[in-house]
This record gives sequence, C-alpha cells and structure tokens, in this order.
Amino acid sequence: EVQLVQSGAEVKQPGESLKISCKGSGYTFTSYWIAWVRQMPGKGLEWMGNIYPGDSDTTYSPSFQGQVTISVDKSITTAYLQWNSLKASDTAIYYCAKLEGLTSPSDYWGQGTLVTVSS
Amino acid sequence: DIQMTQSPSSLSASVGDRVTITCRASQSISNYLNWYQQEPGKAPKLLIYAASSLQSGVPSRFSGSGSVTDFTLTISSLQPEDFATYYCQQTYSTPYTFGQGTKLAIK
Repeated sequence: EVQLVQSGAEVKQPGESLKISCKGSGYTFTSYWIAWVRQMPGKGLEWMGNIYPGDSDTTYSPSFQGQVTISVDKSITTAYLQWNSLKASDTAIYYCAKLEGLTSPSDYWGQGTLVTVSS
Repeated sequence: DIQMTQSPSSLSASVGDRVTITCRASQSISNYLNWYQQEPGKAPKLLIYAASSLQSGVPSRFSGSGSVTDFTLTISSLQPEDFATYYCQQTYSTPYTFGQGTKLAIK
C-alpha cells in the first residue's frame, strides 16, 4: 500500500528555521516525483515545487523559489521542505504528494503538516 | 504562469442533482488537466486525470471532459459524500497551477 506519512504539527516564531518531512513507503521511492503543496488558512491549493528522489532534480514555483528548499534523503525514503527564516505568512498546511510522472497528477497525498508561525 | 479559472466559486445543490463545474486555462494545456476533491480537514483526492480519465476507485458518477483551454467536471447524481471543494490543476507546464476551487454545498 502506497503511503506518504508527514511529520507532525509545528509551532514556531518568526525568524526560526524549520524542516518538515514526508516519508514514502509501499512503492519505489526513487522512481516517482514528490510535490509539495501549500494551503493557507481557508484558502486554495498552491503548488510549491517537485523533486525527483532518484537524482534530486528539483523544480520550484517562482512564487516559492528562494523562500524554501526541497530536498530528499533516498536512503530513508523521505522528502523534506525547509525554511531558513519563517514568517507569519508561512502559516499553512503543507502537503506532500506523489506524482506518477513529471506531468502526471498527484495520485497519493500525505496527511498534511500544519505549520503555525506566531510570536 | 498558466492561470486556471474555475466557475462557479461556490454552488448549492441537492442530493440527486446533476452538477457541472468548469475550468478555463489562460493558454492551451492540451489535456493535462486534473480534478481533485477536498473534504474539510482532509488531503485532496484525485478524481480525474488527463481531462477525462477516471482515477481507480472513484465512482462513475464523476466524469471529466474538455481539451485545450476549456474543461468540465460533472457529477451525474450528487451523493451526500460529494459535498466538498473541487479543484482543477494543470500539469502541462511548471508551475503546476490550481484553480481557486469550487465549494459545493447542500441546498
């Protein structure tokens, strides 16, 4: 059974760093892209970027380029989303999702990680 | 970026109704169009991919059509579990943009 299990909710202060995770199982982790998607409170879905675990090839949305870092540790079948300096506007639910192929839809999703940034 | 515009943003309907949601792309995306359903507090769920292909396990009352720039999602006979928010997404070119969502509520 394909599963993407994300790390738990986080509460951080502005300026702090954070790395959240997404562990894949039940499929060949290195053969399928992983996407990260943001959902701000009460708002819609925003695609942040994709990473291919096989070679760490990464594509970012221009809206998120330079604001976050997407990475992967294929030895533990885990993808990451990282911030160096959080802002209040980063408060959102972040989902990881598996893609069947680069231009394919997201067929499996993690449960989401709620990140709250508040002083 | 390719802009995806859904209409309506919200609608009210009754169990058994036939409902259609539209999605328009700001440029040609061939058939690289997907539809997702999101229930409150849950992750999105893939319903339709490649404009008209039904994802495995999704009830046949859901269907998709369209190509190039204009697409539709149709629910043939609404069931109580269908009241949710629906999103279209293009995967023709990065960034893979979503529509703003259509909230389907019970009338």
